[in-house]
Amino acid sequence: DTEVTQTPKHLVMGMTNKKSLKCEQHMGHRAMYWYKQKAKKPPELMFVYSYEKLSINESVPSRFSPECPNSSLLNLHLHALQPEDSALYLCASSQGRSDEQFFGPGTRLTVL
Amino acid sequence: QKEVEQNSGPLSVPEGAIASLNCTYSDRGSQSFFWYRQYSGKSPELIMFIYSNGDKEDGRFTAQLNKASQYVSLLIRDSQPSDSATYLCAVEPYGGATNKLIFGTGTLLAVQP
Repeated sequence: DTEVTQTPKHLVMGMTNKKSLKCEQHMGHRAMYWYKQKAKKPPELMFVYSYEKLSINESVPSRFSPECPNSSLLNLHLHALQPEDSALYLCASSQGRSDEQFFGPGTRLTVL
Repeated sequence: QKEVEQNSGPLSVPEGAIASLNCTYSDRGSQSFFWYRQYSGKSPELIMFIYSNGDKEDGRFTAQLNKASQYVSLLIRDSQPSDSATYLCAVEPYGGATNKLIFGTGTLLAVQP
């Protein structure tokens, strides 16, 4: 089963809202990632969790807060977002370093 | 600044032809190379990965790596309209942070029926 799932598929939120994006994988992968992708741009890495520990934070604003409750789950908590944060948020997982990353279907986020 | 360069296209090929997608990278020590296909509005899908110099074939797809020239390519044989998508080249640079991929800006491929 080479599947990464993400919920919700679409999310519309106001600038004062708090919401969370969820990601799950059951491939036994030890690394999980959050990416942000704007239209006609490549994915931009936000965070990497390796063995449930945050290993990379690409200087992401604190209004984005990642959480890895266990090896299969990855959350992204959102608070006080700006309209420019509207994008496709992608979760990915991989077995480890240098291994191929598998992407979930993404959450299309719109901030009003 | 480690970079991955791709021609943005669109690359237009007729159905049944070979599509050739190219990518260059700046970090000479890069170890792992990936090609992703992304349909409009969808997430990236892994097509091929290659670690060693030479060719790697999988069905209609062939990845080619030349580390001396810092060049990786993807050939798609017998191109079909369903291959029309953006193809992203991704490179894992040497050393530094774990698991980090550098993506190119992607090449838009249009296969004409």
